[in-house]
Amino acid sequence: SQTIHQWPATLVQPVGSPLSLECTVEGTSNPNLYWYRQAAGRGLQLLFYSVGIGQISSEVPQNLSASRPQDRQFILSSKKLLLSDSGFYLCALSGVLFKAFFGQGTRLTVV
Amino acid sequence: RKEVEQDPGPFNVPEGATVAFNCTYSNSASQSFFWYRQDCRKEPKLLMSVYSSGNEDGRFTAQLNRASQYISLLIRDSKLSDSATYLCVVNLRTGNQFYFGTGTSLTVIP
Repeated sequence: SQTIHQWPATLVQPVGSPLSLECTVEGTSNPNLYWYRQAAGRGLQLLFYSVGIGQISSEVPQNLSASRPQDRQFILSSKKLLLSDSGFYLCALSGVLFKAFFGQGTRLTVV
Repeated sequence: RKEVEQDPGPFNVPEGATVAFNCTYSNSASQSFFWYRQDCRKEPKLLMSVYSSGNEDGRFTAQLNRASQYISLLIRDSKLSDSATYLCVVNLRTGNQFYFGTGTSLTVIP
């Protein structure tokens, strides 16, 4: 069965510092992958999605970027974090019958 | 207009009660429909798919009304463990994009 690994689970970073969140998947090949952010008490906001290696679509212009260097690896990055980047970051894949499966998420606090 | 709209609640119900959530979607091309459950500070997890004919899984019943573009979730005999946020999700399949509602908060009270 497919699994999604995300790390770290929690992260506290100062404003202006860089960010790199990694997501890896197992048990599937050529998945559609997604990065979402959820602010406290809010809904899920789609940040990026990828249909294959090197293919990234951005939904929201901001200081974040994403890369997909390998089929089962999806990375979310920032060169300089803002306070507004705080939130719960979730990696997801589209599985069988168009169901979404999520990693356990990274809770980022920018201070 | 949002792709998917849900009443955010909160719904506070006693144990054993029946509670219903509704969700509307704006794109008539939507083809796949789901309810997800999200516990506090956790990732969303699939609760059930929603089929055109309606479907049931134990105490949970999901219904889809394509003509009116709404989806419902009925929970019977509520348990304390049902307390969570319930997310309505649709997928257009074309482009394989998911659209999430903002969630409905449920608290089941002893």
